[in-house]
Amino acid sequence: EVQLVESGGGLVQPGRSLRLSCTSSGFIFGDYAVSWVRQAPGKGLEWVGFIRSKAFDGTTEYVASVKGRFIISRDDSKSIAYLQMNSLKTEDTALYYCTRATLGSGNYYMDVWGRGTTVTVSS
Amino acid sequence: QSVLTQPPSVSAAPGQKVTISCSGSTSNIGNNYVSWYQQLPGAAPKVVIYDSDKRPSGIPDRFSGSKSGTSATLGITGLQTGDEADYYCGTWDNSLRAWVFGGGTKLTVL
Repeated sequence: EVQLVESGGGLVQPGRSLRLSCTSSGFIFGDYAVSWVRQAPGKGLEWVGFIRSKAFDGTTEYVASVKGRFIISRDDSKSIAYLQMNSLKTEDTALYYCTRATLGSGNYYMDVWGRGTTVTVSS
Repeated sequence: QSVLTQPPSVSAAPGQKVTISCSGSTSNIGNNYVSWYQQLPGAAPKVVIYDSDKRPSGIPDRFSGSKSGTSATLGITGLQTGDEADYYCGTWDNSLRAWVFGGGTKLTVL
């Protein structure tokens, strides 16, 4: 079964760091890009960023609000992706989803989603 | 304020058809493919349309997608109560160099 499982969420104080993990199974992890999407309580979806596969140089892209604070990385040997979140702000409080991003005719789309892990930034 | 504009809510009776619009610009929808995501209450989102008009395996043909210019539309026919969910459109934005989602549309099947 194709699956993504997020972990590492929790309560953290503003300004501190947290690292989320996304563990995959059921497919060749290295063949796919991985995207992180978050959803604040009662709000819509917000794309956080993604990392391309090594075939596309493993490069990353981020939403403007997290650039310079968040870093996405991957370890294909372990089939895990990471979201390193630094200098956390209260507005980063959200449910964080890991997704598999598949390249369609010309763009990526998110075809597999984890169940999410909750990050709460509060003093 | 989302880059992609969706109506906050739509509603229709069981068995009827509904459409959900997603309006953008030349930097996003106008030059990229659109995907649509269904989020049932308390669940993770699921893709129902990709490449603007393609259905993943397992998605019934009651769901359809189209794109024209800088707008995209999700159509659902033969509405069922199980279709009640939030629906989001999404695509890449070439100017922002970021993926963007619409604000979401809550579908109510009366």
